[in-house]
Amino acid sequence: QKEVEQDPGPLSVPEGAIVSLNCTYSNSAFQYFMWYRQYSRKGPELLMYTYSSGNKEDGRFTAQVDKSSKYISLFIRDSQPSDSATYLCAMRGNQGGKLIFGQGTELSVKP
Amino acid sequence: GAVVSQHPSWVICKSGTSVKIECRSLDFQATTMFWYRQFPKQSLMLMATSNEGSKATYEQGVEKDKFLINHASLTLSTLTVTSAHPEDSSFYICSARDPHAGGQDTQYFGPGTRLTVL
Repeated sequence: QKEVEQDPGPLSVPEGAIVSLNCTYSNSAFQYFMWYRQYSRKGPELLMYTYSSGNKEDGRFTAQVDKSSKYISLFIRDSQPSDSATYLCAMRGNQGGKLIFGQGTELSVKP
Repeated sequence: GAVVSQHPSWVICKSGTSVKIECRSLDFQATTMFWYRQFPKQSLMLMATSNEGSKATYEQGVEKDKFLINHASLTLSTLTVTSAHPEDSSFYICSARDPHAGGQDTQYFGPGTRLTVL
């Protein structure tokens, strides 16, 4: 079993839709949770950074962490074609620890 | 956010040759840099952790004699793929840790280097 599970998709939605992306994990020691966006043939770009459980909002993006369920989510409101990319969740146990990535979900937002 | 650059962005080489990839943190000092490999439609796999002034720590299954890592300064790490073979063709991505990024211990990624070995 992988430490971090993420549905690879692809996920296709119409412009303006609310997108929900999710990851589950097995290691209860994970405390730091991140979402990265990766455009084709580019390096990942940090979108959201969350410590422990709770919600964090930044513009159209909301990250949620439920440590009791070992489940994290990224919501994208009013999705745009420019949001089309692969979204990777990542997490680690402590400051300076190794980042463990999910497989990435490929998202396509159709105009 | 912080900027990390990689050079070259893509490279094609013949089997048996060596290729060097550079990773630079442009606006911060990175005591730790990481090298990842990513195959098509797969996630990032950590190859090694590079600390400035010391030997790199390699992940299990990664040949340290094949993937030579040097972190000679706080802003530069290099990955050399020695005696490259077609199976080494992949997307290589570096990241640099900025420990002072707003209190967050955050990694910033370079744009990646696409290596094709013929």
